[in-house]
Amino acid sequence: GAVVSQHPSWVICKSGTSVKIECRSLDFQATTMFWYRQFPKQSLMLMATSNEGSKATYEQGVEKDKFLINHASLTLSTLTVTSAHPEDSSFYICSARDNMGLAGGPFHEQFFGPGTRLTVL
Amino acid sequence: AQKITQTQPGMFVQEKEAVTLDCTYDTSDQSYGLFWYKQPSSGEMIFLIYQGSYDEQNATEGRYSLNFQKARKSANLVISASQLGDSAMYFCAMREGLDSGYALNFGKGTSLLVTP
Repeated sequence: GAVVSQHPSWVICKSGTSVKIECRSLDFQATTMFWYRQFPKQSLMLMATSNEGSKATYEQGVEKDKFLINHASLTLSTLTVTSAHPEDSSFYICSARDNMGLAGGPFHEQFFGPGTRLTVL
Repeated sequence: AQKITQTQPGMFVQEKEAVTLDCTYDTSDQSYGLFWYKQPSSGEMIFLIYQGSYDEQNATEGRYSLNFQKARKSANLVISASQLGDSAMYFCAMREGLDSGYALNFGKGTSLLVTP
């Protein structure tokens, strides 16, 4: 089955520091990855769509200079929260699209990572 | 505008009983996919079931079935024979377009508590 990993699973940092979160597809190639954010007791909100080899597409209201996304290979996308502040504390989840349909499932499903819990003090 | 509506913030069900979680959606696309995910307290998103807009049969996966009413734009999840481990948040989601290159729109979720 398709596996997507995220690292770290949780991180605590001081206000003003930058934090990098990695999203990896372990057994399939993913030209497209998605980054979602989930505040406590709320739904998942799409932040951006990450395409391998090109610039990410950000949703309205998401600051591209604050949330830097790099999708340098077919198996890795990174989200860097720059100059993090307490209001950035959230659960960040990525999903990866199996573009070859080899990971299983008849509809080229997206597979979710386990999430990264960010706490900014 | 909200594309996925889940009107039940919380639901209770007794163990071994069936429960229906409501979901309505809004789209003008003819091609779309509907999903249900379970999110336990650990936070991982667990895929439960999928229904494509052109699928004529209601999707079933073990104890999960999706009651797809296309004209009403509803995609309710039915969990049969509830178990204590079913206690979790449940999210309905839609992808407009059948290609998985499109992101998912999620509803606000329903918190399900299964009681002994």
